[in-house]
Amino acid sequence: EIVLTQSPATLSLSPGERATLSCRASQSVSSYLAWYQQKPGQAPRLLIYDASNRATGIPARFSGSGSGTDFTLTISSLEPEDFAVYYCQQRSNWPPEYTFGQGTKLEIK
Amino acid sequence: QVQLQESGPGLVKPSQTLSLTCTVSGGSISSGSYYWSWIRQPAGKGLEWIGRIYTSGSTNYNPSLKSRVTISVDTSKNQFSLKLSSVTAADTAVYYCARARDGYNPDDYWGQGTLVTVSS
Repeated sequence: EIVLTQSPATLSLSPGERATLSCRASQSVSSYLAWYQQKPGQAPRLLIYDASNRATGIPARFSGSGSGTDFTLTISSLEPEDFAVYYCQQRSNWPPEYTFGQGTKLEIK
Repeated sequence: QVQLQESGPGLVKPSQTLSLTCTVSGGSISSGSYYWSWIRQPAGKGLEWIGRIYTSGSTNYNPSLKSRVTISVDTSKNQFSLKLSSVTAADTAVYYCARARDGYNPDDYWGQGTLVTVSS
């Protein structure tokens, strides 16, 4: 089973600052890495797929990078609505199965 | 725009079977190459993928849950379902249904989630 480790667990920043969230896989996941945003009481929202592709309707301030075992989600300039929990997710090739990281909470400083 | 809505009992007794249904609106469940998934989230914790189904009936399950999970699809009702047997308190969670546009991409449409509590 591939384990995803996200860091930091909590990130405290102010609006307008740059956020950098990390996701490390226990073994290579190629480029199959997605990022989700979840706000309290809501379902997760897909932000990034295939490590670096923004999902439909996602603002350009969100970007993803990385391949293999190390991935990064960057929010270039934080808006008030960006404070939430972020999860990375990988898909194994065979058998197809998905695992999530434990999440990074992005909170207002 | 496609919408998904979970439904089912909010309370299940230990050792019984949890049964949930996801109703899809705004599109046919059998069109395209969509995959339909279940994911759960215990209160205050992270997300856990349960499994998925293709409209052909082909399924993939989380190995840690595989012995207890069955996902099925009813194209005539535009629904897919989850059954989780022999539940314990550890199965208490918000259960989400979701859709992926194909077998390689992540879930891009999600239901709002439904809380299922396992308690006597």
